[in-house]
Amino acid sequence: GAGVSQTPSNKVTEKGKYVELRCDPISGHTALYWYRQSLGQGPEFLIYFQGTGAADDSGLPNDRFFAVRPEGSVSTLKIQRTERGDSAVYLCASSLTQARYNEQFFGPGTRLTVL
Amino acid sequence: EDQVTQSPEALRLQEGESSSLNCSYTVSGLRGLFWYRQDPGKGPEFLFTLYSAGEEKEKERLKATLTKKESFLHITAPKPEDSATYLCAVKWEGGSEKLVFGKGTKLTVNP
Repeated sequence: GAGVSQTPSNKVTEKGKYVELRCDPISGHTALYWYRQSLGQGPEFLIYFQGTGAADDSGLPNDRFFAVRPEGSVSTLKIQRTERGDSAVYLCASSLTQARYNEQFFGPGTRLTVL
Repeated sequence: EDQVTQSPEALRLQEGESSSLNCSYTVSGLRGLFWYRQDPGKGPEFLFTLYSAGEEKEKERLKATLTKKESFLHITAPKPEDSATYLCAVKWEGGSEKLVFGKGTKLTVNP
C-alpha cells in the first residue's frame, strides 16, 4: 500500500510570495499532522486534523500559516507572505485513529527554500 | 526547559560495537514514547512505541526500553546500514495528539 505522499518535493520561492504544500495521507487514516523540521532539529508540530476539522492548531507560528483538509483526506498547508525564516522541511504524517495505538507515519517532506 | 532531551548528539561506532542512545523526558502522564529513524533527505520512519515503564520492544538489532523518566535504544552489533539519525518523541495527557520530538542522535557506523 502507498505511504504518505507530499508534493512538491522541493519548492523555491521568493520572499513575500504565497506557497501551497500538499499532503496525501495513507488511505483510511482519519488523522493528519503537519510538522516543520529545521536543519539539525527534530520535527516541530504545527497542526493536526481529525477528519475535516483542525483539532489542534497550537503549533502554527502566526497567521501567515493556514491549513485545510476539506474532504477529510488530502490536506494543503498554505503560507502567505513567505519569509526567509520559513525555510525548512515541511513534514506530513497520518495515523489511523485517536486510540492509544495510533502511530504516526510520515511522508518524505517538502523542502521549502525562501530566497 | 526541553521536554525531550536526547544524548549523545552524535555517536560514531565501529561495525559490531554495541551501544545505547538515551532519550529523557519531563512530561507527566506519558501516553506514549516513540522512536523513529530518519535517513538524510527522508521523512522519519516509525520504529517503536512504548507506553509503560518496564516495557521493551525489539526489531532486528534494535531494542527499546522505557523507565519512568527515560528510554534507551540499544543497538547490538550494528552494521553500516544502521547509520541514521534516531529521533525520540513523546505524547502526554493534555498534550493532544501531537508528538514532541527531541533533536535526535546522529549515528554513524563505520565498516
